[in-house]
Amino acid sequence: SQQGEEDPQALSIQEGENATMNCSYKTSINNLQWYRQNSGRGLVHLILIRSNEREKHSGRLRVTLDTSKKSSSLLITASRAADTASYFCATLYNFNKFYFGSGTKLNVKP
Amino acid sequence: NAGVTQTPKFQVLKTGQSMTLQCAQDMNHEYMSWYRQDPGMGLRLIHYSVGAGITDQGEVPNGYNVSRSTTEDFPLRLLSAAPSQTSVYFCASSLSTGTDYEQYFGPGTRLTVT
Repeated sequence: SQQGEEDPQALSIQEGENATMNCSYKTSINNLQWYRQNSGRGLVHLILIRSNEREKHSGRLRVTLDTSKKSSSLLITASRAADTASYFCATLYNFNKFYFGSGTKLNVKP
Repeated sequence: NAGVTQTPKFQVLKTGQSMTLQCAQDMNHEYMSWYRQDPGMGLRLIHYSVGAGITDQGEVPNGYNVSRSTTEDFPLRLLSAAPSQTSVYFCASSLSTGTDYEQYFGPGTRLTVT
Protein backbone atom coordinates (compact mmCIF):
# COMPACT_ATOMS: atom_id res chain seq x y z
CA SER A 1 0.00 0.00 0.00
CA GLN A 2 1.15 3.53 -0.68
CA GLN A 3 -0.93 4.83 2.17
CA GLY A 4 0.95 7.16 4.45
CA GLU A 5 1.41 6.96 8.15
CA GLU A 6 0.64 9.79 10.51
CA ASP A 7 2.19 10.52 13.80
CA PRO A 8 1.07 10.89 16.50
CA GLN A 9 -2.21 9.00 16.31
CA ALA A 10 -3.63 11.26 19.00
CA LEU A 11 -2.59 14.60 20.44
CA SER A 12 -4.07 16.50 23.37
CA ILE A 13 -3.04 20.11 24.05
CA GLN A 14 -4.26 23.23 25.81
CA GLU A 15 -5.82 26.12 23.94
CA GLY A 16 -3.14 28.54 22.79
CA GLU A 17 -0.46 25.88 22.37
CA ASN A 18 0.93 24.79 19.03
CA ALA A 19 0.06 21.41 17.51
CA THR A 20 2.41 19.53 15.20
CA MET A 21 1.50 16.41 13.30
CA ASN A 22 3.60 14.43 10.86
CA CYS A 23 2.95 12.38 7.76
CA SER A 24 5.20 9.94 5.94
CA TYR A 25 4.64 8.33 2.57
CA LYS A 26 6.29 5.73 0.42
CA THR A 27 6.79 6.77 -3.21
CA SER A 28 7.15 9.91 -5.34
CA ILE A 29 4.20 12.27 -5.22
CA ASN A 30 2.72 15.12 -7.24
CA ASN A 31 1.47 17.03 -4.22
CA LEU A 32 0.53 16.58 -0.59
CA GLN A 33 -2.63 17.95 0.96
CA TRP A 34 -3.93 18.22 4.52
CA TYR A 35 -7.58 17.78 5.40
CA ARG A 36 -9.60 18.18 8.58
CA GLN A 37 -12.51 15.98 9.59
CA ASN A 38 -14.87 16.89 12.38
CA SER A 39 -16.53 13.93 14.03
CA GLY A 40 -19.01 12.23 11.72
CA ARG A 41 -18.56 14.77 8.94
CA GLY A 42 -16.91 14.97 5.53
CA LEU A 43 -13.36 16.15 5.03
CA VAL A 44 -12.46 19.80 4.52
CA HIS A 45 -9.37 20.85 2.61
CA LEU A 46 -6.84 22.91 4.59
CA ILE A 47 -3.68 23.38 2.54
CA LEU A 48 -1.87 21.97 -0.50
CA ILE A 49 1.88 21.83 -1.10
CA ARG A 50 3.37 20.80 -4.44
CA SER A 51 6.24 18.34 -4.64
CA ASN A 52 8.67 21.12 -5.64
CA GLU A 53 7.74 23.30 -2.66
CA ARG A 54 9.30 23.05 0.79
CA GLU A 55 7.07 25.20 2.97
CA LYS A 56 3.70 26.87 2.77
CA HIS A 57 1.65 29.04 5.09
CA SER A 58 -2.07 29.71 5.35
CA GLY A 59 -3.30 31.69 8.35
CA ARG A 60 -2.36 29.69 11.46
CA LEU A 61 -1.27 26.71 9.38
CA ARG A 62 2.27 25.95 8.31
CA VAL A 63 3.10 22.87 6.27
CA THR A 64 6.53 21.60 5.33
CA LEU A 65 7.50 18.95 2.83
CA ASP A 66 10.76 17.01 2.69
CA THR A 67 10.71 14.83 -0.42
CA SER A 68 14.11 13.31 0.38
CA LYS A 69 12.68 11.92 3.63
CA LYS A 70 9.21 11.41 2.13
CA SER A 71 7.63 13.28 5.00
CA SER A 72 5.52 16.31 5.76
CA SER A 73 4.47 18.15 8.89
CA LEU A 74 1.50 20.34 9.70
CA LEU A 75 1.82 22.98 12.39
CA ILE A 76 -1.24 24.68 13.82
CA THR A 77 -0.23 27.71 15.87
CA ALA A 78 -2.19 29.20 18.76
CA SER A 79 -4.70 26.36 18.72
CA ARG A 80 -8.35 26.86 19.61
CA ALA A 81 -11.00 24.50 20.92
CA ALA A 82 -12.61 24.69 17.47
CA ASP A 83 -9.48 23.03 16.02
CA THR A 84 -10.49 19.79 17.74
CA ALA A 85 -10.82 17.29 14.86
CA SER A 86 -8.99 14.56 13.01
CA TYR A 87 -6.34 15.65 10.53
CA PHE A 88 -5.35 13.63 7.48
CA CYS A 89 -2.59 13.98 4.95
CA ALA A 90 -3.33 12.93 1.38
CA THR A 91 -0.75 12.33 -1.30
CA LEU A 92 -1.44 12.59 -5.02
CA TYR A 93 0.14 10.01 -7.32
CA ASN A 94 0.07 9.86 -11.13
CA PHE A 95 -1.90 13.12 -11.02
CA ASN A 96 -5.16 11.26 -10.34
CA LYS A 97 -4.85 8.89 -7.36
CA PHE A 98 -5.05 10.09 -3.78
CA TYR A 99 -3.83 8.10 -0.82
CA PHE A 100 -4.74 9.15 2.69
CA GLY A 101 -2.85 8.66 5.92
CA SER A 102 -4.43 7.12 8.97
CA GLY A 103 -4.96 10.47 10.66
CA THR A 104 -4.08 12.34 13.84
CA LYS A 105 -6.87 12.97 16.32
CA LEU A 106 -6.33 16.40 17.88
CA ASN A 107 -8.06 17.44 21.08
CA VAL A 108 -7.68 21.07 22.12
CA LYS A 109 -8.77 21.64 25.71
CA PRO A 110 -10.28 25.03 26.58
CA ASN B 1 -23.93 25.85 -5.11
CA ALA B 2 -24.90 22.72 -3.19
CA GLY B 3 -21.35 21.36 -3.63
CA VAL B 4 -21.09 17.56 -3.39
CA THR B 5 -24.24 15.77 -2.31
CA GLN B 6 -24.64 12.14 -1.35
CA THR B 7 -27.71 10.00 -0.83
CA PRO B 8 -28.73 8.20 1.25
CA LYS B 9 -27.17 9.35 4.55
CA PHE B 10 -27.70 5.96 6.18
CA GLN B 11 -28.40 2.51 4.78
CA VAL B 12 -28.73 -0.99 6.20
CA LEU B 13 -28.42 -3.92 3.81
CA LYS B 14 -28.59 -7.65 4.20
CA THR B 15 -25.73 -9.76 2.89
CA GLY B 16 -26.15 -10.37 -0.82
CA GLN B 17 -28.33 -7.36 -1.53
CA SER B 18 -27.26 -4.77 -4.06
CA MET B 19 -27.64 -1.02 -3.96
CA THR B 20 -26.42 2.22 -5.48
CA LEU B 21 -24.94 5.10 -3.55
CA GLN B 22 -25.61 8.38 -5.30
CA CYS B 23 -23.14 11.26 -5.65
CA ALA B 24 -23.67 14.52 -7.48
CA GLN B 25 -21.76 17.78 -7.78
CA ASP B 26 -22.83 21.09 -9.26
CA MET B 27 -19.39 22.68 -9.64
CA ASN B 28 -18.63 21.34 -13.15
CA HIS B 29 -15.72 19.34 -11.75
CA GLU B 30 -13.95 16.91 -14.05
CA TYR B 31 -12.55 14.63 -11.35
CA MET B 32 -14.74 12.59 -9.03
CA SER B 33 -13.85 9.80 -6.65
CA TRP B 34 -15.24 7.38 -4.09
CA TYR B 35 -13.60 6.45 -0.78
CA ARG B 36 -14.43 4.24 2.12
CA GLN B 37 -13.46 5.02 5.69
CA ASP B 38 -13.34 2.26 8.26
CA PRO B 39 -13.29 3.02 12.00
CA GLY B 40 -10.09 4.69 13.14
CA MET B 41 -8.60 4.65 9.65
CA GLY B 42 -7.95 6.99 6.81
CA LEU B 43 -9.81 7.00 3.53
CA ARG B 44 -9.13 4.39 0.88
CA LEU B 45 -9.76 5.10 -2.79
CA ILE B 46 -12.30 2.76 -4.40
CA HIS B 47 -12.79 4.17 -7.91
CA TYR B 48 -12.24 7.49 -9.59
CA SER B 49 -13.19 9.28 -12.80
CA VAL B 50 -11.32 11.97 -14.72
CA GLY B 51 -14.33 12.89 -16.86
CA ALA B 52 -17.60 11.66 -18.29
CA GLY B 53 -17.18 8.17 -19.70
CA ILE B 54 -13.79 7.60 -18.05
CA THR B 55 -13.37 5.60 -14.84
CA ASP B 56 -10.55 3.68 -13.24
CA GLN B 57 -9.84 1.57 -10.19
CA GLY B 58 -8.36 2.79 -6.97
CA GLU B 59 -6.86 0.91 -4.06
CA VAL B 60 -9.87 -1.23 -3.05
CA PRO B 61 -12.18 -1.68 -6.08
CA ASN B 62 -13.38 -5.26 -5.55
CA GLY B 63 -17.12 -5.58 -5.03
CA TYR B 64 -17.89 -2.12 -6.40
CA ASN B 65 -18.81 -0.75 -9.83
CA VAL B 66 -18.97 2.81 -11.09
CA SER B 67 -20.01 4.65 -14.21
CA ARG B 68 -19.90 8.30 -15.21
CA SER B 69 -22.44 9.14 -17.87
CA THR B 70 -22.59 12.84 -16.99
CA THR B 71 -20.16 15.35 -15.50
CA GLU B 72 -22.43 15.84 -12.49
CA ASP B 73 -23.13 12.28 -11.33
CA PHE B 74 -20.91 9.44 -10.17
CA PRO B 75 -22.90 6.58 -8.63
CA LEU B 76 -21.25 3.70 -6.76
CA ARG B 77 -22.87 0.28 -7.04
CA LEU B 78 -22.44 -2.51 -4.54
CA LEU B 79 -23.06 -5.69 -6.50
CA SER B 80 -23.60 -8.18 -3.65
CA ALA B 81 -23.15 -6.61 -0.24
CA ALA B 82 -20.88 -8.29 2.30
CA PRO B 83 -20.34 -7.46 6.00
CA SER B 84 -16.79 -6.39 5.07
CA GLN B 85 -18.33 -3.50 3.13
CA THR B 86 -19.75 -1.98 6.31
CA SER B 87 -18.13 1.45 6.28
CA VAL B 88 -18.67 5.15 5.72
CA TYR B 89 -18.50 6.07 2.06
CA PHE B 90 -17.39 9.48 0.87
CA CYS B 91 -17.64 10.97 -2.58
CA ALA B 92 -15.31 13.80 -3.58
CA SER B 93 -14.71 16.00 -6.59
CA SER B 94 -12.10 18.42 -7.84
CA LEU B 95 -11.92 20.81 -10.73
CA SER B 96 -9.41 18.74 -12.62
CA THR B 97 -6.49 16.40 -12.25
CA GLY B 98 -3.05 17.85 -11.78
CA THR B 99 -0.98 19.28 -8.99
CA ASP B 100 -3.05 22.30 -7.97
CA TYR B 101 -6.51 21.03 -7.18
CA GLU B 102 -8.09 20.34 -3.83
CA GLN B 103 -10.90 17.87 -3.32
CA TYR B 104 -14.38 18.75 -2.08
CA PHE B 105 -16.07 16.05 -0.06
CA GLY B 106 -19.67 15.08 0.40
CA PRO B 107 -21.14 14.43 3.88
CA GLY B 108 -20.85 10.65 3.57
CA THR B 109 -23.12 7.61 3.55
CA ARG B 110 -22.99 5.30 6.54
CA LEU B 111 -23.58 1.74 5.33
CA THR B 112 -24.15 -1.30 7.53
CA VAL B 113 -24.30 -4.78 6.05
CA THR B 114 -25.77 -7.46 8.30
